[in-house]
Amino acid sequence: AQSVTQPDARVTVSEGASLQLRCKYSYSGTPYLFWYVQYPRQGLQLLLKYYSGDPVVQGVNGFEAEFIKSNSSFHLRKASVHWSDSAVYFCAVSANYAQGLTFGLGTRVSVFP
Amino acid sequence: AQTIHQWPVAEIKAVGSPLSLGCTIKGKSSPNLYWYWQATGGTLQQLFYSITVGQVESVVQLNLSASRPKDDQFILSTEKLLLSHSGFYLCAWSLEGVEQYFGPGTRLTVL
Repeated sequence: AQSVTQPDARVTVSEGASLQLRCKYSYSGTPYLFWYVQYPRQGLQLLLKYYSGDPVVQGVNGFEAEFIKSNSSFHLRKASVHWSDSAVYFCAVSANYAQGLTFGLGTRVSVFP
Repeated sequence: AQTIHQWPVAEIKAVGSPLSLGCTIKGKSSPNLYWYWQATGGTLQQLFYSITVGQVESVVQLNLSASRPKDDQFILSTEKLLLSHSGFYLCAWSLEGVEQYFGPGTRLTVL
C-alpha cells in the first residue's frame, strides 16, 4: 500500500516570495505522482504530474516539482507567489488507475501582500 | 471538451434519512469513475471506483453504496445517513492515464 506525507500543515508566505511545499511518499514500486490544488469550497485541480523521464516537471501557473527517487520525495515549488495562490495543496500517489489516488493531508498556503 | 457535473451542490439532511448524490461526465467515452469523501478541513478518502457500466468496486466501507447505471453516470447513495457522513463528496474521472479530474463536489451536512 502507498502513503503520502505532507509535513507542513500550514505555510505563510509574502507575495512575490518563493514557495516550496514538501511531499514524501511511500511505495515499493515506481509511483505516479501528482500535485493538486483546492480553492475554498471547490473541487481539486491538477497542477502537475510525474510518470517517468525528466524528474523536474512543469505545471500550470508557474509551478514545478522535482521527483527525487533516492529521497522518495516530490516537492512542489514556485519562484514567485501571487495572492491568488492561497489555497490547499495536496500531494497524491497512485500505483495504477484502478486503485485511485492516495492523498496527503494537504498544506494550506496563505499568501499575504 | 469534457465536463463533469455533480448534483446537488449542497444538501442538508437528517440522521437516518436516505441520500442520493449524482455525477455525470460529458465528452468522454467509457471513463473510469471514482467517488471520494473529504471531511471538513481534511484529506480525501477514496470510496468507490468503476471502470465499466454496472461494475463498482468498494475501497472503504462507510455504509454507503455506489452504482453506475450508465456509461456517463455515477451514483452514491445510502438508505440511512449517519452524522459521520457529513463532508464534501467529490466525483472524479480518468481515461488511459492515471491522473484524475475532479468535479465541483457536493457538500453534505447531516444533522
